[in-house]
Parts: sequence; structure tokens; C-alpha cells
Amino acid sequence: DAKTTQPPSMDCAEGRAANLPCNHSTISGNEYVYWYRQIHSQGPQYIIHGLKNNETNEMASLIITEDRKSSTLILPHATLRDTAVYYCIVRLPNNNDMRFGAGTRLTVKP
Amino acid sequence: EAGVVQSPRYKIIEKKQPVAFWCNPISGHNTLYWYLQNLGQGPELLIRYENEEAVDDSQLPKDRFSAERLKGVDSTLKIQPAELGDSAVYLCASSLVHSGEQFFGPGTRLTVL
Repeated sequence: DAKTTQPPSMDCAEGRAANLPCNHSTISGNEYVYWYRQIHSQGPQYIIHGLKNNETNEMASLIITEDRKSSTLILPHATLRDTAVYYCIVRLPNNNDMRFGAGTRLTVKP
Repeated sequence: EAGVVQSPRYKIIEKKQPVAFWCNPISGHNTLYWYLQNLGQGPELLIRYENEEAVDDSQLPKDRFSAERLKGVDSTLKIQPAELGDSAVYLCASSLVHSGEQFFGPGTRLTVL
């Protein structure tokens, strides 16, 4: 599976959009991009995933570049409860292997 | 709907003692995972079950770790004997087969003294 690169930490002001980048330059054509987050003292939580097209759900939006070598997770109006570690993962379809890296620690500040 | 249940939430033991963790997955999820998470790092897969079969246990230290999933539902992860380096959070997750959406429990924080 392709590896991902994320900044170790980011800050965001409450109410503003949080844009979390992920580099996956070695992604193969059939690998999906997944995002999870882990709030302190909890297990990771699925956020969103995509293959080529941009995706949006009630939690976030996922923007994948045309060459699929990078993506951005967008939390449109960050709240203090969005403070967490965010993991970007690439995964083959029908493959249960989910490799978590160190992620990005997002701190939302008042 | 109940999520993934793990117990205990916290466990403190002395080195060389045995310890066991229990996980009850979401009803209907036939795939179950055990992960280990060290401080400041992402979860690392220890073992994956599809129903009662361990289909990926390549990262499980088999000299001291064992796991079982009887009847393809609940699962137990055991360490015997525990070492200082086993101090970590042990996470259980479940999913439908081949789904990338895994549901995690809150984890068990193990401290080995």
C-alpha cells in the first residue's frame, strides 16, 4: 500500500475552516484515500473516504487532486471538539489492511 | 446501536504477570481487529479475524501474545508474561468484511510496572 505524509501538527481558530493536507504521491490507481480522527482517550473514528472525486458528508469534505498525489480534508467550521489527531490512509479496495501513520494533531483554539 | 465494547478500560500489572483483554464487536460485523497503540503513534495492527479465523496475525508476537475469537463474535487478547514494553493502549475494532469503515472501541490502557 502507498504511504502517506502529513504535517505533525496544525492549529486552527474556532469557527474557521481547518484544512488538513496529506501527501500520497505513490498512490496506485485503485487505492482509496481514507481519513480517520482520534480524539483524546478514544478510539479512532472514520470520517470520510474517496477515490477520485471530491466527497462531502456531514462531518467533512475531502478534496483529492486530479493526479491523486495529495488530498485535503476540510472541516468547514472547526469547533473545539474537533481537536484530535487526524489520520490519512490509503487503502486497496477489498483489503482490510488499514495502516495508520502518526497523523496530524489538530488543535482548535478559541 | 451499541458500539464496540472493550474491557477493562484500564489495567495495571507487574511485569511477568498475565493479562487479558476482552472485546465485543458491533452486531453483524464479521471482521474484528486488535491494534496496539504506543504513545504519540498511530494504531498498529496485531491481528485480524474474519469470523472465527485469524486471517492476518503476522504482527502478533506469538511468543507471548495470543488471541481467540470463539464463535466468531467476542474476542480475547492475552499477554503472558507481560513485559515493561507492552505498556500501551490496546484497541479493538470491527467492520463488515472488506469495508474500510472500521468502528473502534475505546481501548484498554495497559501499564506494566
